[in-house]
Amino acid sequence: KQEVTQIPAALSVPEGENLVLNCSFTDSAIYNLQWFRQDPGKGLTSLLLIQSSQREQTSGRLNASLDKSSGRSTLYIAASQPGDSATYLCAVKVSGAGSYQLTFGKGTKLSVIP
Amino acid sequence: SQTIHQWPATLVQPVGSPLSLECTVEGTSNPNLYWYRQAAGRGLQLLFYSVGIGQISSEVPQNLSASRPQDRQFILSSKKLLLSDSGFYLCAWARTIQETQYFGPGTRLLVL
Repeated sequence: KQEVTQIPAALSVPEGENLVLNCSFTDSAIYNLQWFRQDPGKGLTSLLLIQSSQREQTSGRLNASLDKSSGRSTLYIAASQPGDSATYLCAVKVSGAGSYQLTFGKGTKLSVIP
Repeated sequence: SQTIHQWPATLVQPVGSPLSLECTVEGTSNPNLYWYRQAAGRGLQLLFYSVGIGQISSEVPQNLSASRPQDRQFILSSKKLLLSDSGFYLCAWARTIQETQYFGPGTRLLVL
């Protein structure tokens, strides 16, 4: 059974700092990996999607990497801003019989202090 | 552009009462549809998914059921709510299983 772990559970940084969020998964037979953002009491917003054949994806100040063999992904946020404060969720889509299912981590709650 | 709606936004229900949560998608046809639950201190858990009208797959045994009476409508139901059904319910859609899932605003359910 696929398990997704995100470390740290919470992170507080001063504005302007670069930061890295970590995600690990137990089964490397994934189809893709997604990073989402969730604001309090809101739905999820997709940030980046990395296919299993890709190593990284970039969008603006965000860069996500994927190392499938080691079961790890990182989300790098450059020059953090208070508006980046939210919970960041990592999710993997398994291949094979369970290919419809996204398995989520519990998230990292990020606070960017002005 | 595509949009996804969920209602109600918030619901407080007594134990043993029925439940009906609705999700609709606009601007696309034949989407894959998903129901998730997010409980306090837990990650999102997939409850049901649907690849077409009347086609529902359940991921976990539970007190809930789902239906898809129309192409872009997905309904989550229960005949008798339990305290453990409390949580944040999210609906999502995707064009195909390979593509990104887009989430609705969610429904917060509190069972008392």
